Amino acid sequence: DGGITQSPKYLFRKEGQNVTLSCEQNLNHDAMYWYRQDPGQGLRLIYYSQIVNDFQKGDIAEGYSVSREKKESFPLTVTSAQKNPTAFYLCASEDRGRGNQPQHFGDGTRLSIL
Amino acid sequence: GESVGLHLPTLSVQEGDNSIINCAYSNSASDYFIWYKQESGKGPQFIIDIRSNMDKRQGQRVTVLLNKTVKHLSLQIAATQPGDSAVYFCAGALAGNNRKLIWGLGTSLAVNP
Repeated sequence: DGGITQSPKYLFRKEGQNVTLSCEQNLNHDAMYWYRQDPGQGLRLIYYSQIVNDFQKGDIAEGYSVSREKKESFPLTVTSAQKNPTAFYLCASEDRGRGNQPQHFGDGTRLSIL
Repeated sequence: GESVGLHLPTLSVQEGDNSIINCAYSNSASDYFIWYKQESGKGPQFIIDIRSNMDKRQGQRVTVLLNKTVKHLSLQIAATQPGDSAVYFCAGALAGNNRKLIWGLGTSLAVNP
């Protein structure tokens, strides 16, 4: 079954620690996205990548980093510089080769502070 | 700045009734709109989309209406079922190569049996 897999489902971070959230897709999509969702708010874009080895900052990139070494994978690192990391993190992918297409989402990683 | 927002944060309907969820957008350069359904603890699930050259699009039990004059779109769910209970988001994409989505805050739909 094609789709997007995020892991882990729950993650806990200690003070001063970097943590990495995994996102893998087998949809053969070029574009991938990371969003942050806080209670009662819409999705806010952290980083996005339109092609392998290229990525751009979104609206709230500070304290986060990404890499895109493979088409299938777009891991997000929440660094110790992100002072309020507790949130629900969503990864999405999109087929940019066929005009307007919706983004497809994984089931998220919930990050909490220990 | 750009925004996509919802008129009501919550909507409660009786099972079997029709539901209408509204969304307003501010940037007339938005040319593609998407409705998503998000259940608790899960990622948003695509429901239906519409391009700006259309006024209406129908899916299975869902219809999206787009009024570009007043920058408004709505999602209509026919014969609402308990399984429709979720948060519904609209998102709009700006024309151009970037095509970042601008998201609304979401409307929570509760279906009463």
